[in-house]
Parts: sequence; structure tokens; C-alpha cells
Amino acid sequence: DTEVTQTPKHLVMGMTNKKSLKCEQHMGHRAMYWYKQKAKKPPELMFVYSYEKLSINESVPSRFSPECPNSSLLNLHLHALQPEDSALYLCASSAEDFTGELFFGEGSRLTVL
Amino acid sequence: AQSVTQPDIHITVSEGASLELRCNYSYGATPYLFWYVQSPGQGLQLLLKYFSGDTLVQGIKGFEAEFKRSQSSFNLRKPSVHWSDAAEYFCAVGAREYGNKLVFGAGTILRVKS
Repeated sequence: DTEVTQTPKHLVMGMTNKKSLKCEQHMGHRAMYWYKQKAKKPPELMFVYSYEKLSINESVPSRFSPECPNSSLLNLHLHALQPEDSALYLCASSAEDFTGELFFGEGSRLTVL
Repeated sequence: AQSVTQPDIHITVSEGASLELRCNYSYGATPYLFWYVQSPGQGLQLLLKYFSGDTLVQGIKGFEAEFKRSQSSFNLRKPSVHWSDAAEYFCAVGAREYGNKLVFGAGTILRVKS
């Protein structure tokens, strides 16, 4: 199984809502990532979890809250977002020895009204 | 600081023609180099990667890339493009010294005309 599964595929939320994006992988990878991608732009790293611990936070606003409940799951909790946060949110995973090879999910398209 | 440059925002080629997408990097460490492809609304798929050894690497879907250290380049090539290759292509660079962090280029959108 070489898939990274993200749910939901599409999410529309208001600025006062609380929602979550979910990501799951069963490749035994120990590093998991959240990227944000705006239209016609490259992915921008938000967070990295390594062995279920947050290892990189790219100065992301606190309205985005990551969580790694176990080695297969990664969540991104969303609260009080702004319309400019609308984007494609990509989850990825990589092997523990960091070969740099990321396996990406298909993304969650978020629209903030 | 690390940086990756893809000088071409858009490229249009005829089906069956050859393709070369350019990538230049600036990195303070021995780089790992990657090419990813993204179809509209989809995630990214790895085409090929270079860590060390033979500087000409083969990837999936008939793509290859050549690492040229002297030119700090890692250009992607395909001898004969198919209409299904139309997508956006991202060059990315990482290094063990920088941990689990890839730097992506801005991307090149490939259009294929029949």
C-alpha cells in the first residue's frame, strides 16, 4: 500500500467554524508533513512530524493546529480561519531515514468564506 | 540560503516532440534532487530522484534527468511527449543537513498540443 489518504477532499467553512483535515498512511513511514498550496504556486511546508513529535513548524499561525495521534495518522485542526487561508492542503509522508522522497496525498481543497 | 529556480513558467510542445524542463539550485550542502509532477487538483507524484552516483537518472513515464554539479542544474527530459504529460512539474531540493525539508521550485506548466 503506497497511498496517502486525505479526507475530506473538499471543505467549505466559515471564519468562525472549527473543522479538521485528516491524513492517513500505512507505509510505515515515521515522518509526516502538512503543505499548503495556493493556486499556481509550489507547495509551502507548514509542519513536519517525526516519530509522532512536531519537529518543524514553519511559523504557521496558531489558527492551524496539527496533531499526530499515532504513526499512521496526521490531523490539521482549523479554527477562526481567514479567506486567504483558502488553498489546497497536502499531506505527505516519508521514510524515517529521510530519503527526501515524499509520498503525497491528493489534497484537501479548503474554501473559507 | 537554499533556492530552486525553474526559469520557465509555461512550456508548450507538440505531441511527439522532445522536452527539456530546466532546474537550477543554490544549496550549501550536497543536495538531493527531485522532480515531481502534479495534475490539476491532484497531489504530487515523484518522477525521479538523484542522491548520488550516476548523474543520469531514469524515472517513471519515460522521463530522465541529468545532474550537472558544475552548472548546479538538474534538467528533466523526455524524448517524445505524450498528451497525457500535460501537467505542472516541480523541481525540489533537499539535503540531510537540513532535515526533513524540501525546497520546491515555482513549477513549470507543460502544455502539449496535438
